[in-house]
Amino acid sequence: GQQLNQSPQSMFIQEGEDVSMNCTSSSIFNTWLWYKQDPGEGPVLLIALYKAGELTSNGRLTAQFGITRKDSFLNISASIPSDVGIYFCAVSGGTSYGKLTFGQGTILTVHP
Amino acid sequence: KAGVTQTPRYLIKTRGQQVTLSCSPISGHRSVSWYQQTPGQGLQFLFEYFSETQRNKGNFPGRFSGRQFSNSRSEMNVSTLELGDSALYLCASSSDSNSPLHFGNGTRLTVT
Repeated sequence: GQQLNQSPQSMFIQEGEDVSMNCTSSSIFNTWLWYKQDPGEGPVLLIALYKAGELTSNGRLTAQFGITRKDSFLNISASIPSDVGIYFCAVSGGTSYGKLTFGQGTILTVHP
Repeated sequence: KAGVTQTPRYLIKTRGQQVTLSCSPISGHRSVSWYQQTPGQGLQFLFEYFSETQRNKGNFPGRFSGRQFSNSRSEMNVSTLELGDSALYLCASSSDSNSPLHFGNGTRLTVT
């Protein structure tokens, strides 16, 4: 089946540092999504990317849809303690966004 | 606007029993999807419903079933529970097939 390779698996950083994580696939996808999950809660959509090469920002977050449509990265600038959580990339393989394939997640820890 | 509501939040069942989980989507959303989240397998797609019809189904055994009602509320059922069914079950809704998913906080099922 479709698989996404998300890296790194975990990151331990100091408050104020920038963070970068990425996701790759062997297949082409038309939509890449980035979600964040806090402990005890469901994933929350951060950024949606619909066009190859697209670079989109949401506050301190920036994400890019790779030109080959097989990868995406997420950057967080000037990290703060509330950035702690698990970040997931996800792709929609068909015509519906209801069926998503998720990466394994990146666990982010921010030390004050 | 209220988010996706899942009940109950926590559930403990015994192997061999069956369980029904409930999901109320965001008002106006007609598409509901279910996901299973475990530490080993991550987030995996179970099913997607739109206007009371199952539109997509993931690679899960027939013990997992679901349905959607005319008011868009959805339920999923797991019969003959196994220890491996212990997981966080997440429901997500969207206004249509072209809109990203919004997740609820999940039902934590423990099978003993």
